[in-house]
Amino acid sequence: SQQGEEDPQALSIQEGENATMNCSYKTSINNLQWYRQNSGRGLVHLILIRSNEREKHSGRLRVTLDTSKKSSSLLITASRAADTASYFCATDDDMRFGAGTRLTVKP
Amino acid sequence: DGGITQSPKYLFRKEGQNVTLSCEQNLNHDAMYWYRQDPGQGLRLIYYSQIVNDFQKGDIAEGYSVSREKKESFPLTVTSAQKNPTAFYLCASKRSGPNYGYTFGSGTRLTVV
Repeated sequence: SQQGEEDPQALSIQEGENATMNCSYKTSINNLQWYRQNSGRGLVHLILIRSNEREKHSGRLRVTLDTSKKSSSLLITASRAADTASYFCATDDDMRFGAGTRLTVKP
Repeated sequence: DGGITQSPKYLFRKEGQNVTLSCEQNLNHDAMYWYRQDPGQGLRLIYYSQIVNDFQKGDIAEGYSVSREKKESFPLTVTSAQKNPTAFYLCASKRSGPNYGYTFGSGTRLTVV
């Protein structure tokens, strides 16, 4: 089974609000990656955070990593309708992905 | 620009027929992967290849076959033994070494008619 598990399964918010989704994993990692998938498209790599990093930013994205809790969070600030997508996490070379978090941003 | 190309985007197959999905990358990545995604579900690993002329079964390899004769190409054949082939198929590649992410193609939607 995959290393990373996303939570919640689904999230619905209003445009302008922040969206937070979480990823838990089972064993020690070197890095954790977040991906976005728009409906009917391939996954797009958003950000990679290394095990020695606690926080990383990219535009409106903020990723945190807590290796003691084996968890990561992805925060999307000031969400837009275009952020509507599924979001997945993956670790190292695990090759496997969970079911993702389906984010809906209502205009 | 470098990338990974899947073709065709849509594919229709009659029951009992084999069909081959194409995946080509010009990123010089060593590793390539095939995934299957059913509606509202996550990705399931079908096959992967870490190097040319070598590939390994993933979690749902039954009814599928692959080849890796060239670094750039990793075609997937959906055989008639695959009982429920209608799905969205994604190909990915990855650079060797730590701290690199996966690059995905845009997918092929296969429908059995």
